[in-house]
This record gives sequence, C-alpha cells and structure tokens, in this order.
Amino acid sequence: QQQVKQSPQSLIVQKGGISIINCAYENTAFDYFPWYQQFPGKGPALLIAIRPDVSEKKEGRFTISFNKSAKQFSLHIMDSQPGDSATYFCAAIAGSARQLTFGSGTQLTVLP
Amino acid sequence: DGGITQSPKYLFRKEGQNVTLSCEQNLNHDAMYWYRQDPGQGLRLIYYSQIVNDFQKGDIAEGYSVSREKKESFPLTVTSAQKNPTAFYLCASTRGFNSNQPQHFGDGTRLSIL
Repeated sequence: QQQVKQSPQSLIVQKGGISIINCAYENTAFDYFPWYQQFPGKGPALLIAIRPDVSEKKEGRFTISFNKSAKQFSLHIMDSQPGDSATYFCAAIAGSARQLTFGSGTQLTVLP
Repeated sequence: DGGITQSPKYLFRKEGQNVTLSCEQNLNHDAMYWYRQDPGQGLRLIYYSQIVNDFQKGDIAEGYSVSREKKESFPLTVTSAQKNPTAFYLCASTRGFNSNQPQHFGDGTRLSIL
C-alpha cells in the first residue's frame, strides 16, 4: 500500500517555466515532509522540507505548498533550468526512528 | 569531507550466492538505513539501525540481512533467498531518532544477476 502518492510520473517543462509536482498522503502520523532531488547514478539529496504546521516554505526557486486538511503538498520550481533536470521524490517522516516513506518519483526534464 | 561511502558501485550476483554491500559513514551519525530503489517505485526501506548492535526490519526485509557492529558501518547482505535482487541499493544515515535532521545518502550500489 503506497502511503505517499506522487504525480506526475514525468514532466517536461521549457526553460524559464514553472515545474509543479504534487503529493498526497493518508497517514496522519507523518510529521515532516522533505523533498529529494536525485541525479542519475547518485543518491538522493535533500532539497527542501516542511512541517505540517506551515502552509508554505520557499528556498530560492523552490517552494513547498502544504495543505494539511487535504493531506496534500506540492513542490514548485520557478524559472526552471536545464540543470534542474532530475528525478524528484516527495517523502514523509513518522515515528521515533524517523522512517522515510517515499513517493514514486517524478522525472523532470527542462528543455533549453 | 564527511559523507557516506558505498562500495562497490556495481556488483554482480550468481544464482545461489550471497553478496554483501558495504556502507561506511564518517558523519558520526547514530541512525543508518538501507533502501532499495526500483524504477517507478521510489525507495523502499529494507532495514534500519538506530544504535550499534541493534537493527529493525523495514518494509521489504525478506531475503536481506544486516549487522551493526560499529557505529560507522552498516553492511547489507543480499542472500540467495532474495529472488529478485536486481536493483539500486542506497544507504543513508542521520544524526539520530526523534530528529528532523535530513537523511544523507550514499551514491548507491547497482546489483545485477549474472
């Protein structure tokens, strides 16, 4: 049972455009929501993260929007660049062991 | 520089063979994790360890085993009981439980069947 659902599976955006990736969760025990960026042949790297008591967090061109009542959150990449082309994973954390539950990933391609 | 080192980068397994993937960290992190990554399925948790000499099963532990004899090392053995071992394996660590410190990942080991 997939606890974090991510969409779309793939996304193609023109340079300078906005990339939007959506995630939804069911488990209300999740209490922290990070996004990871992964390049081919590399491990995921933390991009940005948000707590559920915050509705929006912005770091540079990356913004997380969080809707606690709908149990949904999204990543917005403003002014997308070809260097942003990677796979993006949303994730959720719960429990004292801080276990990560990942979404299935979105492969983003930014065209020059 | 501090980080997580996984080795080897590529590994091939023969039928009936056990293979061990290495994960070493010099971040002084208490908690370590192993994930399996398959195309289109994201990362799934195999095992995790919060302290030395203790580890817990994750969502897909069958066919795998781990040990945590030292704080900096968390090797994963893929046993012959794992019938579909071909995947990208990622090791991660974080400062400790009850923390929102991010999990740091190594660059993975790609395992294939010969």
